[in-house]
Amino acid sequence: DTGVSQDPRHKITKRGQNVTFRCDPISEHNRLYWYRQTLGQGPEFLTYFQNEAQLEKSRLLSDRFSAERPKGSFSTLEIQRTEQGDSAMYLCASSLSVGRGQYNQPQHFGDGTRLSIL
Amino acid sequence: AQRVTQPEKLLSVFKGAPVELKCNYSYSGSPELFWYVQYSRQRLQLLLRHISRESIKGFTADLNKGETSFHLKKPFAQEEDSAMYYCALRQGTSGSRLTFGEGTQLTVNP
Repeated sequence: DTGVSQDPRHKITKRGQNVTFRCDPISEHNRLYWYRQTLGQGPEFLTYFQNEAQLEKSRLLSDRFSAERPKGSFSTLEIQRTEQGDSAMYLCASSLSVGRGQYNQPQHFGDGTRLSIL
Repeated sequence: AQRVTQPEKLLSVFKGAPVELKCNYSYSGSPELFWYVQYSRQRLQLLLRHISRESIKGFTADLNKGETSFHLKKPFAQEEDSAMYYCALRQGTSGSRLTFGEGTQLTVNP
């Protein structure tokens, strides 16, 4: 399967703990995105990378959240001092951006990591 | 700021009936619109996008800039079409983030 891969699928943790999620994009894709989805809502954008550069961050991404993509391949999303409101599905997506006009092909999503805060 | 509205959270039709899932958007520039679908226990996947002007699994969607709408239509619904459907907007073909609607759960009854 050469799709977007996310690990773990589920994470249950106590309030105040730190958690880290991993995303492996489709191998040739240079853009990688993180979204958060809560029950009954559509996915909400958090941040995205082009290669290793983090180019945009949403206001949803508080200072407890940090994302990295150190070698322009896989990415990690860390949440420090988790709170009840962080419980959600965290989705990763990737896409290929090509050409001088940087035409961005459609995004492909992973299965997500479901985070539950006790 | 851009916004996507899907007015129906739930939509139920009978097999063979026409179906229309509504999507309205607000954005001052030239948007690119998508429909994504999520079948039970599967990941979110692209169904179609307006610039392709294609029909996928019998579904079509036309961008109406005057009405700022991108409704998804199928003339004869099938039971396997039952799924959650999300309309999404991007700021043009070089845009990054997708802005999603809240989704419509479509149920096709036998």
